[in-house]
Amino acid sequence: KNQVEQSPQSLIILEGKNCTLQCNYTVSPFSNLRWYKQDTGRGPVSLTIMTFSENTKSNGRYTATLDADTKQSSLHITASQLSDSASYICVVSDRGSTLGRLYFGRGTQLTVWP
Amino acid sequence: EADIYQTPRYLVIGTGKKITLECSQTMGHDKMYWYQQDPGMELHLIHYSYGVNSTEKGDLSSESTVSRIRTEHFPLTLESARPSHTSQYLCASRPGQGVYEQYFGPGTRLTVT
Repeated sequence: KNQVEQSPQSLIILEGKNCTLQCNYTVSPFSNLRWYKQDTGRGPVSLTIMTFSENTKSNGRYTATLDADTKQSSLHITASQLSDSASYICVVSDRGSTLGRLYFGRGTQLTVWP
Repeated sequence: EADIYQTPRYLVIGTGKKITLECSQTMGHDKMYWYQQDPGMELHLIHYSYGVNSTEKGDLSSESTVSRIRTEHFPLTLESARPSHTSQYLCASRPGQGVYEQYFGPGTRLTVT
């Protein structure tokens, strides 16, 4: 069964600190992995997209890593800001259908305190 | 910021009413999607479309229906709303094949009383 598991479920950090969010998946055949940021009451916004051949990708203070062998990914946030408070969703796409089906994790709810 | 819009943003409605959630995108994308999301839970695909006059049901069974008469417009309709339909509904679109980004609208928060 294709699944995406994220940890931790929630995380509280102080402004300026770094943090790392984890994602494990069982989706096969693998196409790509995405990290989205979803603010409360808003739609998800893409942070990074990585294919099988990419093992790291950065977007400003966000750095995602991918280990396709162990089927794990992480999202590292550097020097956190209050605006980073949001849910971070790991999404994996398969390449077994023309739909390019997306499998969503439940997200990690990050809260940044001043 | 993606050019995909949803209206209304919030809707509170009584049981039995017919409602239509609007979704429009100005990016010319062929593929469009509707997702349902409950608090703290993952997004579930309820409908998708490959293009005009193409609609398919997604993974999560839904009593809603959709139509795709124009490329830019993908409305979702509930003929008779029930409290179990209370949820957040997210519309998304993406271009063509391959590894393309999927853009999401801001969502409609529906509450059925």
